[in-house]
Amino acid sequence: AQSVTQLDSQVPVFEEAPVELRCNYSSSVSVYLFWYVQYPNQGLQLLLKYLSGSTLVESINGFEAEFNKSQTSFHLRKPSVHISDTAEYFCAVSENTGFQKLVFGTGTRLLVSP
Amino acid sequence: ETGVTQTPRHLVMGMTNKKSLKCEQHLGHNAMYWYKQSAKKPLELMFVYNFKEQTENNSVPSRFSPECPNSSHLFLHLHTLQPEDSALYLCASSQGGGANNYGYTFGSGTRLTVV
Repeated sequence: AQSVTQLDSQVPVFEEAPVELRCNYSSSVSVYLFWYVQYPNQGLQLLLKYLSGSTLVESINGFEAEFNKSQTSFHLRKPSVHISDTAEYFCAVSENTGFQKLVFGTGTRLLVSP
Repeated sequence: ETGVTQTPRHLVMGMTNKKSLKCEQHLGHNAMYWYKQSAKKPLELMFVYNFKEQTENNSVPSRFSPECPNSSHLFLHLHTLQPEDSALYLCASSQGGGANNYGYTFGSGTRLTVV
């Protein structure tokens, strides 16, 4: 069975500073990896995903994540954050065979202040 | 619009009431899910339906009763709830496994308050 660990429950950062949100996973088989974002009182929105190919994946709003198989990590980064990036970020993993079932981490709250 | 619609967005109910949450997707997905999201707790998977058949029930109390009449619709029937059941209830859908794994599409959720 897979599991996901997001060690940081909250990450405070100033506007225009870089940020990294950490995600480590555990699985006995090959996986797909995802980052979701949740704004207040809304559902989760897919931010980016790794299925195969290039280990560096990017979103349309400047976030990127790199799949590191040897370290079983999929950290999310942004070189310069905005106030509007304040949200909860969830890392998720699924096996890449059989019935797709996402396992979520506990989430990291990103707090961007002026 | 995310492709998954949940109604109502907000619901306040007494402990003796009966209500239902509705989820609808027009994405052609074959799997649907109910999640519970409580403050300061991780997402809790409640139920999974695949091609209208329930494939998972994570020890959810019987006061929560899911119904999936077809692959596009999912309901969560509520009765005699407790105040600790107050939470954001999220519905999601997916295409299923294999090479086309694009994750889940979530609805905006129903904010439930039990008084």
